[in-house]
Amino acid sequence: DAGVIQSPRHEVTEMGQEVTLRCKPISGHNSLFWYRQTMMRGLELLIYFNNNVPIDDSGMPEDRFSAKMPNASFSTLKIQPSEPRDSAVYFCASSSQPEGNYEQYFGPGTRLTVT
Amino acid sequence: AQKVTQAQTEISVVEKEDVTLDCVYETRDTTYYLFWYKQPPSGELVFLIRRNSFDEQNEISGRYSWNFQKSTSSFNFTITASQVVDSAVYFCAPISSGSARQLTFGSGTQLTVLP
Repeated sequence: DAGVIQSPRHEVTEMGQEVTLRCKPISGHNSLFWYRQTMMRGLELLIYFNNNVPIDDSGMPEDRFSAKMPNASFSTLKIQPSEPRDSAVYFCASSSQPEGNYEQYFGPGTRLTVT
Repeated sequence: AQKVTQAQTEISVVEKEDVTLDCVYETRDTTYYLFWYKQPPSGELVFLIRRNSFDEQNEISGRYSWNFQKSTSSFNFTITASQVVDSAVYFCAPISSGSARQLTFGSGTQLTVLP
C-alpha cells in the first residue's frame, strides 16, 4: 500500500510568488495533518483536517497560508505571497482516527526554499 | 496543552552499545498516547512505537524497548546493540485522546552511532 504522497519534493521560488504544496493521504485514513519543520522552531503543526473538515488551524502562521481538503484523497497547502522566512520542510501526515490508534504516518516532505 | 522535554540534544555511542533516549512530558489529559518517531538523515519521519497511558507495562520489540513511568511522566526509549543505521534524530511525542488529536513533538535527540 502506498504511503503518504507529497509533491513536489523540492520547490525553489522567489519571494512574492505563490507556492502550492500537495498531499495524498493513505487510502482509508480520515485525518490529515500539515506540519512545518525548521531548525529554529522544530516540528510545528499548522493545520489538521478530520473527514475533510478543518478542525484546528491555530498553527497557521498568518493569512498568507491557506489549506484545503476538497476530498478524502487530496489536500493542498498554499502560501501567497511567499517570503524567505517560509523556507522550511513541510510534512503532510495522515492517520485513522478514532478507529486507529492515533499514530500518524508522514510523507517524505517538501523542502521549500524562498529566495 | 502538552509539553515535551528531551533533555539530551546529542548522544554519540559506539556500535553495539546500548543507548537510552529520555523523554519527559506534561499533559493535563488523563488518557493519552505516547509515540517515538525517528528521522534519519534522509529526512523522512518514521513511526517507531506507541504506548497508551493506561498501560504501563514495558515492552521489548526486537532491539527496541521502552520504559513508561506515568508517575514521573517519563517515556524513555532504549536501543540495544546499536547499529550505524540507527543514527538519526529521535522525537518523542504525546497525543491527546480527546478532540485535539495533535502530536506535540519534542526538540529531538540526535543519535550518532559510530562504527
